Amino acid sequence: DTAVSQTPKYLVTQMGNDKSIKCEQNLGHDTMYWYKQDSKKFLKIMFSYNNKELIINETVPNRFSPKSPDKAHLNLHINSLELGDSAVYFCASSRGLPAYNEQFFGPGTRLTVL
Amino acid sequence: DQQVKQNSPSLSVQEGRISILNCDYTNSMFDYFLWYKKYPAEGPTFLISISSIKDKNEDGRFTVFLNKSAKHLSLHIVPSQPGDSAVYFCAASALSGGGADGLTFGKGTHLIIQP
Repeated sequence: DTAVSQTPKYLVTQMGNDKSIKCEQNLGHDTMYWYKQDSKKFLKIMFSYNNKELIINETVPNRFSPKSPDKAHLNLHINSLELGDSAVYFCASSRGLPAYNEQFFGPGTRLTVL
Repeated sequence: DQQVKQNSPSLSVQEGRISILNCDYTNSMFDYFLWYKKYPAEGPTFLISISSIKDKNEDGRFTVFLNKSAKHLSLHIVPSQPGDSAVYFCAASALSGGGADGLTFGKGTHLIIQP
């Protein structure tokens, strides 16, 4: 059974479109994250939710909006996609805050904006 | 500004030998460090961690060394095996701040184990 799953795995879309990436974890964790890995291979945290509440919100455009309907899901919605949004997006989860517990990552979603 | 630096984009090691991956950090608030391993088309997986109260942590073939004064840590893999070929990410966090800032990752080092 997949611990942290993301859909879709690949997403190709045009500039200006709105798209969503879904993430689900079946580990019973209470903290979930979104990371972005850009073309320079840096893996940077974007958002973190603990018990469905936002606890980390790095400096990302407000076109990115995470939504956590329950503790097992953290979806990422992106409005008005831009070329610079092309990257691999990783969802992750952990038990408790990130500093104390290892994070389990999903397989990633490769987003290509044309 | 890179707070966690992995200056070697790639490293090639012969099977059976020791692999040493290095990581430097600049933020003196970091006091908890982790190594993640990543295969192509998969997400990173946790390998080993160390807190700043220790200078060494060992788990099987993997050992992490921390030199706080030099703000440097290294991951040793011995003996290296073909399945160890992957990208290794160093990550850091500040426990003293409650960890609310999340993990800061380096750019990764691609380890290639030669048969």
